[in-house]
Amino acid sequence: SQQGEEDPQALSIQEGENATMNCSYKTSINNLQWYRQNSGRGLVHLILIRSNEREKHSGRLRVTLDTSKKSSSLLITASRAADTASYFCATDGSYSGAGSYQLTFGKGTKLSVIP
Amino acid sequence: DAGITQSPRYKITETGRQVTLMCHQTWSHSYMFWYRQDLGHGLRLIYYSAAADITDKGEVPDGYVVSRSKTENFPLTLESATRSQTSVYFCASSEWATYNEQFFGPGTRLTVL
Repeated sequence: SQQGEEDPQALSIQEGENATMNCSYKTSINNLQWYRQNSGRGLVHLILIRSNEREKHSGRLRVTLDTSKKSSSLLITASRAADTASYFCATDGSYSGAGSYQLTFGKGTKLSVIP
Repeated sequence: DAGITQSPRYKITETGRQVTLMCHQTWSHSYMFWYRQDLGHGLRLIYYSAAADITDKGEVPDGYVVSRSKTENFPLTLESATRSQTSVYFCASSEWATYNEQFFGPGTRLTVL
């Protein structure tokens, strides 16, 4: 089963608007990562936030982490058409007792930015 | 070329045939991973490797075999392909497992007829 679950599954916004995607997870984690996937391409790492951090910024990206609620959010400010992609959260920690060598990905949020 | 590459990029095969997907990275990362991506399931880990000659199962290992004789290569073999193995396969590498980012290859789209 998935450790992380993104919400919403799909999001459509106008260029220049902000986009917010959420991720919920089930077990304790050491870190949470966000990745982007353009259609037909591999995943690209965006940002990593550790369990002792609450907020992190990278350019137009802002990630928050609330370990008490087991949730994270990814905010993309001033969106551009080039931000159109699927966004995945990934958590470490064990979903099956196998240890922390595995990242578990959610099913992703498909973001469409309309020019 | 620097980075992580996969070959072939596209493959069509028949049920029962053996297929090997190749993955090569130039960073000398210790950890390498194989995922499959299917609609409705997201990415699921098939196998991973912590170093040469060290491999372990992920979430969905049945029907797959891996080996890692050299740090830079991590081939994935489907011993007897089934239609349910039709998927997009991604290889990834990282320096320290889940403690930092994983770098993904471009993917192999496999169709089993």
